Amino acid sequence: DGGITQSPKYLFRKEGQNVTLSCEQNLNHDAMYWYRQDPGQGLRLIYYSQIVNDFQKGDIAEGYSVSREKKESFPLTVTSAQKNPTAFYLCASSLQGWGYTFGSGTRLTVV
Amino acid sequence: KNEVEQSPQNLTAQEGEFITINCSYSVGISALHWLQQHPGGGIVSLFMLSSGKKKHGRLIATINIQEKHSSLHITASHPRDSAVYICAVRSLTSYNTDKLIFGTGTRLQVFP
Repeated sequence: DGGITQSPKYLFRKEGQNVTLSCEQNLNHDAMYWYRQDPGQGLRLIYYSQIVNDFQKGDIAEGYSVSREKKESFPLTVTSAQKNPTAFYLCASSLQGWGYTFGSGTRLTVV
Repeated sequence: KNEVEQSPQNLTAQEGEFITINCSYSVGISALHWLQQHPGGGIVSLFMLSSGKKKHGRLIATINIQEKHSSLHITASHPRDSAVYICAVRSLTSYNTDKLIFGTGTRLQVFP
């Protein structure tokens, strides 16, 4: 079955450490996205990529980095520069005009 | 003010009731999505609309482009419908992307 796999489901990080969240899709979608969800707020776009080896900043890119070396993979690194990293992170992909598929999310907690 | 507003924020219902969740937006759009988020956090896409009405099982979604308003209806609600329902729009200024603007969600609880 096609879909998006995010791992891990829960992640704990010490302050000052970088951490990488995995997102893999086997849907053959060109576009992939990373969103952040905080309580009481709508999802906010961190980064997106429409094609391999190309990505664009979203609304809240500061403190995050991404890569898109393969069509199937779009990992997100939360760097120590992100001041408030504790949140729920969702990865998504789309085939333009045909709707979205979301992953099951990664809950990151800074301890 | 958010570009996508949903109402109500919270909704409780008895099993079998007819449910309506509303979404209003202030930007020009090319498509509107209704999404369902379960307590574990994963999101499922329910509908993508650009005009008119769509139905899938007990779920019906409508959109009025002129009034910039969409509704999600659930007929014969069931406890398994308990979830957060999220409205999201693809604005016309998204150019050649599928970037979405999200509402804050409506939390629905259906009791037996």
